Amino acid sequence: QKEVEQNSGPLSVPEGAIASLNCTYSDRVSQSFFWYRQYSGKSPELIMSIYSNGDKEDGRFTAQLNKASQYVSLLIRDSQPSDSATYLCAVKLTGGGNKLTFGTGTQLKVEL
Amino acid sequence: EAGVAQSPRYKIIEKRQSVAFWCNPISGHATLYWYQQILGQGPKLLIQFQNNGVVDDSQLPKDRFSAERLKGVDSTLKIQPAKLEDSAVYLCASSLDFGQGSDNEQFFGPGTRLTVL
Repeated sequence: QKEVEQNSGPLSVPEGAIASLNCTYSDRVSQSFFWYRQYSGKSPELIMSIYSNGDKEDGRFTAQLNKASQYVSLLIRDSQPSDSATYLCAVKLTGGGNKLTFGTGTQLKVEL
Repeated sequence: EAGVAQSPRYKIIEKRQSVAFWCNPISGHATLYWYQQILGQGPKLLIQFQNNGVVDDSQLPKDRFSAERLKGVDSTLKIQPAKLEDSAVYLCASSLDFGQGSDNEQFFGPGTRLTVL
């Protein structure tokens, strides 16, 4: 079983809709959770981090964490064509220092 | 503030040749990471340095890959000899330190795209 799993997509949503991206992880000692955005040919950019159960909102982005279900999600409200990118889920393990373990990423396409 | 610098941006070599990549982290960042990102996959950590010491190199193919950070600033990653499956983007990242603090974000460089023919 992969440590961090994501649906590779592509996930297509119309402009203005809510995009929902999901991620599951296998290691129960996972402590910190991150969403990175990666445009084609570019490097990953951190957009959200979440450390405790519940929701965390930042502008149009909401991260949701459920440690009991080992599940983390990212909601993007009012999706824009500029949101079209690959979204990488990453986790840090307790005691693992600052090491990130990434999923394979979900490609999001926001259509006009 | 200048970001993480990497060079070259692109490199094409034939299998069995050697290649080296260079990274200069953000000034003041003690921790430096090298990731390998194969097309369609997420980045995979190859090696992590804290200053000039290795913290984690468990996923580095040590028979062909080597890395150093002699003065605790710049780092080089070398592949010798290269194989076809080494074709990937090699990303360098840096963070303030090794800890898991919420403000210890990793910042990524632009990457080096390696093609092995």
